[in-house]
Amino acid sequence: DAKTTQPTSMDCAEGRAANLPCNHSTISGNEYVYWYRQIHSQGPQYIIHGLKNNETNEMASLIITEDRKSSTLILPHATLRDTAVYYCIVRVGSNYGQNFVFGPGTRLSVLP
Amino acid sequence: GAVVSQHPSWVICKSGTSVKIECRSLDFQATTMFWYRQFPKQSLMLMATSNEGSKATYEQGVEKDKFLINHASLTLSTLTVTSAHPEDSSFYICSARDPMTGTYGYTFGSGTRLTVV
Repeated sequence: DAKTTQPTSMDCAEGRAANLPCNHSTISGNEYVYWYRQIHSQGPQYIIHGLKNNETNEMASLIITEDRKSSTLILPHATLRDTAVYYCIVRVGSNYGQNFVFGPGTRLSVLP
Repeated sequence: GAVVSQHPSWVICKSGTSVKIECRSLDFQATTMFWYRQFPKQSLMLMATSNEGSKATYEQGVEKDKFLINHASLTLSTLTVTSAHPEDSSFYICSARDPMTGTYGYTFGSGTRLTVV
């Protein structure tokens, strides 16, 4: 699986958009970009994933650059409950028997 | 959506005893489940891949005789920490995926906080 690079930590004001970047310059054509988050002392929670088109769901939006070498997770109106570690992972989407490899992620602190 | 239930959510045990952690897929069948371990302020590290009806595959450095994995049914995998020691204190997390959901990501259990005293 391609390796990802994320900032170690970020702050965001409550109510503002949180934009979390991820670099994945060695991504392969069949690898998807997945985002998870982990709130303290809980298991990781799926947020969103995409291949090359931008995606949006009730939690967030995912913007993938045209060359697919980087992406941005957008939380449109961050709340205090969005404080968590956010993980960007790239892997082949349909590979059922392969685990997710977690890097250090980005620790997002939403400030009041 | 897919739900993975993990039990117990926390456990305290005495050094030298064994502890069993259960991971259940509630609304789907999972031939493969994964067990992770997470130490404080660190990321998740894969311990082993649990395969229904066959032996688990362990990552390098993980003792298979210490961390016993049983995946006897399509909805249940168990991790038993045998002869636990304080250094085994950690957050253990399982994950699984409904094979019918295409490229959708894995669902993770809520984790088990093990404290060995």
